Amino acid sequence: DTGVSQNPRHKITKRGQNVTFRCDPISEHNRLYWYRQTLGQGPEFLTYFQNEAQLEKSRLLSDRFSAERPKGSFSTLEIQRTEQGDSAMYLCASSPPENEQFFGPGTRLTVL
Amino acid sequence: DQQVKQNSPSLSVQEGRISILNCDYTNSMFDYFLWYKKYPAEGPTFLISISSIKDKNEDGRFTVFLNKSAKHLSLHIVPSQPGDSAVYFCAATLDSNYQLIWGAGTKLIIKP
Repeated sequence: DTGVSQNPRHKITKRGQNVTFRCDPISEHNRLYWYRQTLGQGPEFLTYFQNEAQLEKSRLLSDRFSAERPKGSFSTLEIQRTEQGDSAMYLCASSPPENEQFFGPGTRLTVL
Repeated sequence: DQQVKQNSPSLSVQEGRISILNCDYTNSMFDYFLWYKKYPAEGPTFLISISSIKDKNEDGRFTVFLNKSAKHLSLHIVPSQPGDSAVYFCAATLDSNYQLIWGAGTKLIIKP
């Protein structure tokens, strides 16, 4: 296992379309996180899973956003009815308990 | 309300000299601090961390200092190398490292 992977790396979509991103964490990590990063800012926490349970959601995660981790392995982040303000880098990270988070390369979303 | 602040957007240092990156925080309840390094088109990579019960942690060329009374931490890189050129993020957490709160980053440029 070479690390956290994310697909796609880039996504360009038209406003109003739905998009889905995938994250494959490091296999032995039970914790998985999603962050969003815009230009010139640090990442902002979106949500956190421990195994398949979604334990925390930021107020940034509006009703148009949903994240799943069905079998406690990979995770998906879906954005419905995308808006231009959703354009950002979406980062996924994983960690074992009580340890540092390891990040994937991110999915860059551009909403036209 | 920015709880973690990195007030220098960029820093330029001569190769071989010391690089000092600074970070201030407002929440005295933060109990763990981390530094991440980010290259373009990659996710953040963990560098070094420090618990709030310590005031210094060292790992090779990297040392992090924590001054709780001033709510300030710094990352020292000695000696600076060209490969250190990247954006450095300071992050803090309240509880078991699950939700990181990030600064906006400082772009470090190492001049040959």
